[in-house]
Amino acid sequence: GIQVEQSPPDLILQEGANSTLRCNFSDSVNNLQWFHQNPWGQLINLFYIPSGTKQNGRLSATTVATERYSLLYISSSQTTDSGVYFCAVSGSARQLTFGSGTQLTV
Amino acid sequence: DTAVSQTPKYLVTQMGNDKSIKCEQNLGHDTMYWYKQDSKKFLKIMFSYNNKELIINETVPNRFSPKSPDKAHLNLHINSLELGDSAVYFCASGRASVYEQYFGPGTRLTVT
Repeated sequence: GIQVEQSPPDLILQEGANSTLRCNFSDSVNNLQWFHQNPWGQLINLFYIPSGTKQNGRLSATTVATERYSLLYISSSQTTDSGVYFCAVSGSARQLTFGSGTQLTV
Repeated sequence: DTAVSQTPKYLVTQMGNDKSIKCEQNLGHDTMYWYKQDSKKFLKIMFSYNNKELIINETVPNRFSPKSPDKAHLNLHINSLELGDSAVYFCASGRASVYEQYFGPGTRLTVT
């Protein structure tokens, strides 16, 4: 199956700082999603981005499918950004394979 | 107007019991999923189901079984609960034509 690696595993930021989270995957994908798991455990959809670039407020994401990676940018971080960020992908099979996440503390 | 809902939110039970977790989606999706998040926060697929096909992750014990009374519901039944079943279980749904999945709020199961 597809392997997904996220980096860094942990990240500590001061409020107002910017950060970049990375997701590498081992095969071509039909789906790539970024999620934020907040401290209450909810999985929040951030982006559905199998390719290209999207922006939503202070967050943006870029997926370069041909090079098998995706980046999540967080600008002007706030305490509410704290939590775990997951990248998840699927190929022809629809089941998502998740990375191990990046624990962000602001 | 909740998209994917799960009940209960918390479930505490004893070893050996049988329990069910319910999932409902009002998005009109035709495929539903169950994922398990362990104590290290690792998320893994358990099942995917549409009205034609059930796909079971081979690592899932046969004590776990999905039941779908209709397209909008996919319930998870667990027999003879074990301590290692303690986890957070997430339901998700999606359309066959689009790969994006939408997740429910999760059910935290604690087996004592």
